[in-house]
Amino acid sequence: AQSVTQLDSQVPVFEEAPVELRCNYSSSVSVYLFWYVQYPNQGLQLLLKYLSGSTLVKGINGFEAEFNKSQTSFHLRKPSVHISDTAEYFCAVSDRAGGFKTIFGAGTRLFVKA
Amino acid sequence: EAGVAQSPRYKIIEKRQSVAFWCNPISGHATLYWYQQILGQGPKLLIQFQNNGVVDDSQLPKDRFSAERLKGVDSTLKIQPAKLEDSAVYLCATHPPYEQYFGPGTRLTVT
Repeated sequence: AQSVTQLDSQVPVFEEAPVELRCNYSSSVSVYLFWYVQYPNQGLQLLLKYLSGSTLVKGINGFEAEFNKSQTSFHLRKPSVHISDTAEYFCAVSDRAGGFKTIFGAGTRLFVKA
Repeated sequence: EAGVAQSPRYKIIEKRQSVAFWCNPISGHATLYWYQQILGQGPKLLIQFQNNGVVDDSQLPKDRFSAERLKGVDSTLKIQPAKLEDSAVYLCATHPPYEQYFGPGTRLTVT
């Protein structure tokens, strides 16, 4: 069965500092991996996705993530964060066998301080 | 293209009352999902439709929750009777393969 573990519930960081949000998954088959962002009182917005091919995936707003199959990880990174990046970030996994049902992690709250 | 529409955006009801949420998906998207997102948690899948048929409702509390998707387009999710623990944001999502598009959600508060 699929599962997603986001290792940090909260990540405080100063503006212009780099950040990494960690995500580990478990699945018995080939997976598709996603990072979503949720701003206060808004719906989920896709940041980036890994379907196949290059393990380094670039997304919107300067974010990128690296798929590591041996470590079953899909960590999200940004080299320099802005105040506007303050939000909740969700890692998610789905697969074809599961009808693309998406399983979400519990979320990581990124708090960018001035 | 227009996004996923949901209404109402906010709803406050008392426990034991009933409530219904509505979702209008992106045109042409055959697959539709309803998720429940409790404060501080990630979204949890309640039910998945393919056109107007149910693919997965294993996580739907069927004694009080029901959902339908008429003509493979709009969908409604109903709770009857509501409990305090049903307070959450209810998200509708649709997608072509691989990627989901989410609506803004309906925030339900049960008092």
